[in-house]
Amino acid sequence: AQTVTQSQPEMSVQEAETVTLSCTYDTSESNYYLFWYKQPPSRQMILVIRQEAYKQQNATENRFSVNFQKAAKSFSLKISDSQLGDTAMYFCAFIPGTYKYIFGTGTRLKVLA
Amino acid sequence: EAGVAQSPRYKIIEKRQSVAFWCNPISGHATLYWYQQILGQGPKLLIQFQNNGVVDDSQLPKDRFSAERLKGVDSTLKIQPAKLEDSAVYLCASSRGATGSNTGELFFGEGSRLTVL
Repeated sequence: AQTVTQSQPEMSVQEAETVTLSCTYDTSESNYYLFWYKQPPSRQMILVIRQEAYKQQNATENRFSVNFQKAAKSFSLKISDSQLGDTAMYFCAFIPGTYKYIFGTGTRLKVLA
Repeated sequence: EAGVAQSPRYKIIEKRQSVAFWCNPISGHATLYWYQQILGQGPKLLIQFQNNGVVDDSQLPKDRFSAERLKGVDSTLKIQPAKLEDSAVYLCASSRGATGSNTGELFFGEGSRLTVL
């Protein structure tokens, strides 16, 4: 079965600190895309960062970076210098092969002032 | 470019009533998705269109849910009759190409929140 697991339902971090959100997945596909999406309260979901499975280099987008470990099927998101605007639900997702998105259950992140 | 538009933003109905949600994807996006997001859960795909054809509707409760994509652009999702467990946010998303054929990024609307009493 193709699944995504986010084991941290809620997390909090102090402003300006660093936080890591965990994600593991399961698939028998050799090539796939991995994503982190952010859903702020009452606002639409937006893409934070994307990783292609065949690329060994970890993706980085400004303060957001991933730790992609293909053998362990792990895809964690690190947020550096956390800001109040980072408060949101974060969803890990992937596309196994060329088929449909599979989303995790989300991690609610609260950045504290 | 304009984002994905959805309406209405909020809807409250009694069980057994019907409701319809509308979605206008980003111009030029071939693929359109309807997701159901129950509070505290991740989005669950209901139906995926490629242009005006259905790619995947395996998780659409077809006895009560229906969806169409008119001329490969706008889409409507209908629920009739509604049940209490249909209370959720209905998200519409679009992408440039078929899943996996491009970068795979989904562009979401703000969602339509349905409450069934």
